[in-house]
Amino acid sequence: KAGVTQTPRYLIKTRGQQVTLSCSPISGHRSVSWYQQTPGQGLQFLFEYFSETQRNKGNFPGRFSGRQFSNSRSEMNVSTLELGDSALYLCASSATQGAYEQYFGPGTRLTVT
Amino acid sequence: GESVGLHLPTLSVQEGDNSIINCAYSNSASDYFIWYKQESGKGPQFIIDIRSNMDKRQGQRVTVLLNKTVKHLSLQIAATQPGDSAVYFCAEKIRSNDYKLSFGAGTTVTVRA
Repeated sequence: KAGVTQTPRYLIKTRGQQVTLSCSPISGHRSVSWYQQTPGQGLQFLFEYFSETQRNKGNFPGRFSGRQFSNSRSEMNVSTLELGDSALYLCASSATQGAYEQYFGPGTRLTVT
Repeated sequence: GESVGLHLPTLSVQEGDNSIINCAYSNSASDYFIWYKQESGKGPQFIIDIRSNMDKRQGQRVTVLLNKTVKHLSLQIAATQPGDSAVYFCAEKIRSNDYKLSFGAGTTVTVRA
């Protein structure tokens, strides 16, 4: 069974731009969570989607948003990029909501210049 | 802020020895804990989990111990191998906050040949 896939793997943007990252969960998994990983803050929860609905949101500004499609694929969007948004963005999928046994993708490395 | 933390940021282990990675948590409402391994350039990989109604759980070469009295979690790796070199994270799921995991800062394990 294929794992979680994320595209693109690497991205370079400039301040003020917006970006969309994509995540395809493991087949059959319906929950997708997004995390931001930085050296200073570690892994920080962004949000979780289940059945196309956002179930929970972390402490990030409204510039960070996401959505989930009927096939469980998810996208996250960051608008008006700031230098501090440079990070590894990780997507994790699980069979059901509730964060049990989450499986992570390889991440998208975003660099904001 | 995060309620999960690891005692040591780095750990150097001789190949063949056993490794013990520690994690302290502060939220007594946490009911589920996971250990992840993250190798360079990859997303976190699920290693083993344990629920709060258990004290010990064993996997292949790994054992997780949970001491709820002192809010302490540990991961023991038997016969450490070079492929075990990675960053190890503990994460908790809090009953009252169902849809996210809170991660500790991580311990970098280096295996010496």
